[in-house]
Amino acid sequence: DSGVTQTPKHLITATGQRVTLRCSPRSGDLSVYWYQQSLDQGLQFLIQYYNGEERAKGNILERFSAQQFPDLHSELNLSSLELGDSALYFCASSVDRDRGSYNEQFFGPGTRLTVL
Amino acid sequence: AQKITQTQPGMFVQEKEAVTLDCTYDTSDPSYGLFWYKQPSSGEMIFLIYQGSYDQQNATEGRYSLNFQKARKSANLVISASQLGDSAMYFCAMRVTAGGGADGLTFGKGTHLIIQP
Repeated sequence: DSGVTQTPKHLITATGQRVTLRCSPRSGDLSVYWYQQSLDQGLQFLIQYYNGEERAKGNILERFSAQQFPDLHSELNLSSLELGDSALYFCASSVDRDRGSYNEQFFGPGTRLTVL
Repeated sequence: AQKITQTQPGMFVQEKEAVTLDCTYDTSDPSYGLFWYKQPSSGEMIFLIYQGSYDQQNATEGRYSLNFQKARKSANLVISASQLGDSAMYFCAMRVTAGGGADGLTFGKGTHLIIQP
């Protein structure tokens, strides 16, 4: 158990809908990262939040957004869903106390999203 | 842009043998971190080992060691005395600083390792 929790575990929805994925980082970790794992694209970094503020963006679509709340939990919002958004979405957390540090990232169990 | 290449899509290895999983990377940034993760069939991502670009010694964690050859830009994972429970996907990943701040991980496509009894 990494200490990172994600809910829900599975999500099945229809095209055009909007969903919210939730992540709670390990106790003491300030950074939250979101990743998407699909058969086509592999594992891709989407976005990073550090202590409530967006720090880095990866291959995140404009239809997707995220935020980190004062208690450090994070939510990833996916809207206008398409079939191709079906994937495993991971949240990871890291200490990252210093800019430029390379602390390991601990991954949650993932949310498997199926868009029908 | 940074890139990770894992050239072995799949490997079959006999139990108790040592295994080397290949990883090459490409970055123009002098400061970076290299990571290996294991993903069993259950889906979770498990951190195995880390190597910093300025580390003089190869990293080791139990049965895992990282063969870091900076000039060749390779960071191979070595698993000694493989066990049936080592069967999983293995991902090599890299992290570089972008504009002074930490960035997300760039992953390779993975190697599917199967340990045979």
